Amino acid sequence: DAGVTQSPTHLIKTRGQQVTLRCSPKSGHDTVSWYQQALGQGPQFIFQYYEEEERQRGNFPDRFSGHQFPNYSSELNVNALLLGDSALYLCASSTGLAGALQSEQFFGPGTRLTVL
Amino acid sequence: SQQGEEDPQALSIQEGENATMNCSYKTSINNLQWYRQNSGRGLVHLILIRSNEREKHSGRLRVTLDTSKKSSSLLITASRAADTASYFCATGSTNAGKSTFGDGTTLTVKP
Repeated sequence: DAGVTQSPTHLIKTRGQQVTLRCSPKSGHDTVSWYQQALGQGPQFIFQYYEEEERQRGNFPDRFSGHQFPNYSSELNVNALLLGDSALYLCASSTGLAGALQSEQFFGPGTRLTVL
Repeated sequence: SQQGEEDPQALSIQEGENATMNCSYKTSINNLQWYRQNSGRGLVHLILIRSNEREKHSGRLRVTLDTSKKSSSLLITASRAADTASYFCATGSTNAGKSTFGDGTTLTVKP
């Protein structure tokens, strides 16, 4: 049973570029949440997807957008990259609309994004 | 602002000793989860404790929750060098609609 997978593992971009990160949830999970983790800090909630819709959003600008596909996998897109977007981006999956609240979240290994 | 805040920020102990980390939060919660993160890698779920529970065990881990004090603690008994990692608490609440993490406790277990 595969856990949460993310791709790519590492990514280097320059300021102003756009990036797409991908996540496949754990088998049986239908809810995907994305987090940004800067060095030395805890993960910050970006948004959560359920039934292909964004259900919750954290304090992130519109440059951060996402998508969930019918097979529950998800993408995180970041436009007009800034140096401050350099971070580890984590995807977590769970079950149900309130999955993050009442059930365990399983995290992927993350994508390390470096913006130069 | 962070909902969960871990204390201490850093903890260094010898192998075999017990390690205790604390988490405080500000508003009412439905559950609290503890995670471990090895350097630069994904988070590993350790324990979920619900607001109507006071204590849970899993192997060498013991988690307590005191909703009156809005605090939780994670105890790792008989620590091992492999326990060296950062530990995070994350609170979940219906009002917030998401899990909120603190900045973690960095635990170093010396062999």
